[in-house]
Amino acid sequence: DTAVSQTPKYLVTQMGNDKSIKCEQNLGHDTMYWYKQDSKKFLKIMFSYNNKELIINETVPNRFSPKSPDKAHLNLHINSLELGDSAVYFCASSQDPGRRGYTFGSGTRLTVV
Amino acid sequence: GENVEQHPSTLSVQEGDSAVIKCTYSDSASNYFPWYKQELGKRPQLIIDIRSNVGEKKDQRIAVTLNKTAKHFSLHITETQPEDSAVYFCAASEYGNKLVFGAGTILRVKS
Repeated sequence: DTAVSQTPKYLVTQMGNDKSIKCEQNLGHDTMYWYKQDSKKFLKIMFSYNNKELIINETVPNRFSPKSPDKAHLNLHINSLELGDSAVYFCASSQDPGRRGYTFGSGTRLTVV
Repeated sequence: GENVEQHPSTLSVQEGDSAVIKCTYSDSASNYFPWYKQELGKRPQLIIDIRSNVGEKKDQRIAVTLNKTAKHFSLHITETQPEDSAVYFCAASEYGNKLVFGAGTILRVKS
Protein backbone atom coordinates (compact mmCIF):
# COMPACT_ATOMS: atom_id res chain seq x y z
CA ASP A 1 0.00 0.00 0.00
CA THR A 2 1.94 3.00 -1.35
CA ALA A 3 2.17 5.89 1.11
CA VAL A 4 2.77 8.70 -1.42
CA SER A 5 1.84 7.89 -4.99
CA GLN A 6 2.40 9.96 -8.10
CA THR A 7 1.06 9.55 -11.60
CA PRO A 8 2.29 9.30 -14.23
CA LYS A 9 5.74 7.87 -13.57
CA TYR A 10 7.00 8.96 -17.00
CA LEU A 11 5.75 11.80 -19.16
CA VAL A 12 7.12 12.65 -22.60
CA THR A 13 5.54 15.61 -24.32
CA GLN A 14 6.20 18.29 -26.88
CA MET A 15 7.08 21.90 -26.19
CA GLY A 16 4.07 24.12 -25.77
CA ASN A 17 1.79 21.39 -24.42
CA ASP A 18 -0.03 21.51 -21.08
CA LYS A 19 0.30 18.58 -18.68
CA SER A 20 -0.64 17.59 -15.14
CA ILE A 21 0.99 15.41 -12.50
CA LYS A 22 -1.08 13.98 -9.68
CA CYS A 23 -0.05 13.11 -6.13
CA GLU A 24 -1.93 11.36 -3.36
CA GLN A 25 -0.86 10.42 0.16
CA ASN A 26 -2.59 8.03 2.54
CA LEU A 27 -0.47 8.87 5.60
CA GLY A 28 -2.88 11.44 7.03
CA HIS A 29 -0.18 14.13 6.78
CA ASP A 30 -1.21 17.79 6.79
CA THR A 31 1.56 19.14 4.58
CA MET A 32 2.44 18.27 0.98
CA TYR A 33 5.19 19.52 -1.30
CA TRP A 34 6.41 19.60 -4.87
CA TYR A 35 10.15 19.42 -5.46
CA LYS A 36 12.01 19.58 -8.77
CA GLN A 37 15.16 17.49 -9.22
CA ASP A 38 17.29 18.63 -12.14
CA SER A 39 19.89 16.70 -14.10
CA LYS A 40 22.52 17.51 -11.46
CA LYS A 41 20.30 15.86 -8.82
CA PHE A 42 19.65 19.12 -6.96
CA LEU A 43 16.32 19.03 -5.04
CA LYS A 44 14.59 22.41 -5.14
CA ILE A 45 11.29 23.17 -3.46
CA MET A 46 8.54 24.60 -5.63
CA PHE A 47 5.35 24.64 -3.57
CA SER A 48 3.92 23.53 -0.27
CA TYR A 49 0.35 23.18 0.95
CA ASN A 50 -0.81 22.72 4.52
CA ASN A 51 -4.34 21.40 4.81
CA LYS A 52 -5.28 22.71 1.33
CA GLU A 53 -3.73 26.12 1.96
CA LEU A 54 -0.71 27.32 -0.05
CA ILE A 55 2.09 28.13 2.40
CA ILE A 56 5.20 28.08 0.24
CA ASN A 57 5.46 29.43 -3.28
CA GLU A 58 9.08 29.66 -4.34
CA THR A 59 10.28 31.53 -7.40
CA VAL A 60 8.59 29.38 -10.01
CA PRO A 61 7.25 30.52 -13.40
CA ASN A 62 3.53 31.27 -13.51
CA ARG A 63 3.18 28.39 -15.96
CA PHE A 64 3.31 26.08 -12.93
CA SER A 65 0.10 25.98 -10.92
CA PRO A 66 -0.48 23.67 -7.95
CA LYS A 67 -3.91 22.64 -6.77
CA SER A 68 -4.92 20.85 -3.58
CA PRO A 69 -8.55 19.69 -3.61
CA ASP A 70 -8.11 18.15 -0.15
CA LYS A 71 -5.22 17.53 2.22
CA ALA A 72 -4.51 14.09 0.74
CA HIS A 73 -4.03 15.35 -2.81
CA LEU A 74 -1.68 17.84 -4.42
CA ASN A 75 -1.59 18.15 -8.19
CA LEU A 76 0.75 20.14 -10.41
CA HIS A 77 -0.36 21.62 -13.71
CA ILE A 78 2.18 22.97 -16.16
CA ASN A 79 1.21 25.19 -19.09
CA SER A 80 3.21 25.84 -22.25
CA LEU A 81 5.93 23.33 -21.46
CA GLU A 82 9.52 24.31 -22.24
CA LEU A 83 12.66 22.23 -22.76
CA GLY A 84 14.02 23.48 -19.44
CA ASP A 85 11.08 21.96 -17.59
CA SER A 86 12.55 18.50 -18.22
CA ALA A 87 13.35 17.06 -14.79
CA VAL A 88 12.11 14.63 -12.19
CA TYR A 89 9.29 16.06 -10.09
CA PHE A 90 8.83 14.63 -6.60
CA CYS A 91 5.81 14.98 -4.42
CA ALA A 92 6.36 14.63 -0.68
CA SER A 93 4.31 14.79 2.48
CA SER A 94 5.05 15.40 6.14
CA GLN A 95 3.16 15.63 9.38
CA ASP A 96 5.83 17.77 11.02
CA PRO A 97 8.70 18.75 8.69
CA GLY A 98 10.55 20.38 11.56
CA ARG A 99 10.77 17.09 13.44
CA ARG A 100 10.02 14.13 11.17
CA GLY A 101 11.12 14.91 7.65
CA TYR A 102 9.34 13.89 4.48
CA THR A 103 8.00 10.82 2.77
CA PHE A 104 8.63 11.16 -0.96
CA GLY A 105 6.61 9.83 -3.86
CA SER A 106 8.30 7.75 -6.55
CA GLY A 107 8.76 10.74 -8.83
CA THR A 108 7.57 11.73 -12.30
CA ARG A 109 10.24 11.95 -15.00
CA LEU A 110 9.11 14.71 -17.36
CA THR A 111 10.83 14.94 -20.74
CA VAL A 112 9.95 17.84 -23.01
CA VAL A 113 10.98 17.37 -26.65
CA GLY B 1 16.73 31.97 4.07
CA GLU B 2 18.52 28.76 4.92
CA ASN B 3 21.45 27.66 2.78
CA VAL B 4 22.94 24.16 3.03
CA GLU B 5 26.32 23.28 1.56
CA GLN B 6 27.41 19.67 1.17
CA HIS B 7 30.84 18.15 0.51
CA PRO B 8 32.23 16.26 -1.26
CA SER B 9 30.13 16.10 -4.41
CA THR B 10 31.50 12.63 -5.20
CA LEU B 11 33.17 10.09 -2.95
CA SER B 12 34.72 6.75 -3.88
CA VAL B 13 35.69 4.28 -1.19
CA GLN B 14 36.80 0.69 -1.10
CA GLU B 15 34.34 -1.82 0.31
CA GLY B 16 34.83 -2.08 4.05
CA ASP B 17 36.22 1.45 4.43
CA SER B 18 34.39 4.34 6.09
CA ALA B 19 32.72 7.24 4.30
CA VAL B 20 32.12 10.72 5.70
CA ILE B 21 29.90 13.40 4.16
CA LYS B 22 29.84 16.90 5.61
CA CYS B 23 27.24 19.66 5.52
CA THR B 24 27.09 23.21 6.80
CA TYR B 25 24.00 25.34 7.29
CA SER B 26 23.52 29.07 7.61
CA ASP B 27 20.45 29.63 9.81
CA SER B 28 21.17 29.14 13.49
CA ALA B 29 17.40 28.75 14.07
CA SER B 30 17.33 25.45 12.11
CA ASN B 31 16.77 22.59 14.53
CA TYR B 32 16.21 19.42 12.52
CA PHE B 33 18.70 17.73 10.19
CA PRO B 34 17.72 14.62 8.23
CA TRP B 35 19.76 12.59 5.78
CA TYR B 36 18.29 10.96 2.69
CA LYS B 37 19.60 8.19 0.46
CA GLN B 38 18.55 8.08 -3.19
CA GLU B 39 19.36 5.01 -5.23
CA LEU B 40 19.45 5.27 -9.00
CA GLY B 41 15.97 5.87 -10.38
CA LYS B 42 14.35 5.74 -6.95
CA ARG B 43 12.88 8.21 -4.48
CA PRO B 44 14.93 9.81 -1.69
CA GLN B 45 14.44 7.87 1.54
CA LEU B 46 15.12 9.03 5.08
CA ILE B 47 17.97 7.04 6.63
CA ILE B 48 18.75 8.97 9.81
CA ASP B 49 17.98 12.31 11.39
CA ILE B 50 19.14 14.42 14.31
CA ARG B 51 17.61 17.26 16.27
CA SER B 52 19.52 20.24 17.58
CA ASN B 53 19.37 19.13 21.21
CA VAL B 54 21.42 16.02 20.38
CA GLY B 55 25.10 15.90 19.40
CA GLU B 56 25.28 12.41 17.93
CA LYS B 57 22.97 9.62 16.83
CA LYS B 58 23.84 6.14 15.63
CA ASP B 59 21.90 3.42 13.82
CA GLN B 60 23.93 0.30 13.08
CA ARG B 61 26.56 1.29 10.48
CA ILE B 62 25.44 4.88 10.07
CA ALA B 63 25.87 7.79 12.46
CA VAL B 64 25.27 11.51 12.34
CA THR B 65 27.05 14.18 14.36
CA LEU B 66 25.95 17.77 14.87
CA ASN B 67 28.00 20.79 15.95
CA LYS B 68 25.50 23.59 16.56
CA THR B 69 28.16 26.16 17.36
CA ALA B 70 29.96 25.62 14.08
CA LYS B 71 26.67 24.95 12.23
CA HIS B 72 27.81 21.76 10.63
CA PHE B 73 26.70 18.15 10.66
CA SER B 74 28.14 14.99 9.19
CA LEU B 75 27.09 11.52 8.08
CA HIS B 76 29.41 8.63 8.86
CA ILE B 77 29.04 5.22 7.23
CA THR B 78 31.28 2.45 8.53
CA GLU B 79 32.12 -0.88 6.88
CA THR B 80 30.73 0.30 3.57
CA GLN B 81 29.10 -2.21 1.26
CA PRO B 82 28.29 -2.04 -2.47
CA GLU B 83 24.61 -1.48 -1.65
CA ASP B 84 25.58 1.76 0.09
CA SER B 85 26.34 3.22 -3.36
CA ALA B 86 23.78 6.00 -3.93
CA VAL B 87 23.32 9.76 -3.77
CA TYR B 88 23.11 11.09 -0.22
CA PHE B 89 21.42 14.37 0.66
CA CYS B 90 21.64 16.33 3.88
CA ALA B 91 18.91 18.80 4.75
CA ALA B 92 18.01 21.41 7.32
CA SER B 93 14.54 22.41 8.44
CA GLU B 94 13.77 26.07 7.78
CA TYR B 95 11.09 27.72 9.95
CA GLY B 96 9.81 24.23 10.75
CA ASN B 97 7.78 24.05 7.55
CA LYS B 98 10.20 22.96 4.83
CA LEU B 99 13.49 21.20 4.25
CA VAL B 100 16.35 22.85 2.41
CA PHE B 101 18.58 20.22 0.81
CA GLY B 102 22.29 20.11 0.13
CA ALA B 103 23.43 19.48 -3.44
CA GLY B 104 24.02 15.78 -2.84
CA THR B 105 27.02 13.44 -2.65
CA ILE B 106 27.45 10.55 -5.07
CA LEU B 107 28.94 7.69 -3.04
CA ARG B 108 30.56 4.81 -4.92
CA VAL B 109 31.65 1.76 -3.00
CA LYS B 110 34.13 -0.32 -4.99
CA SER B 111 34.24 -4.05 -4.36
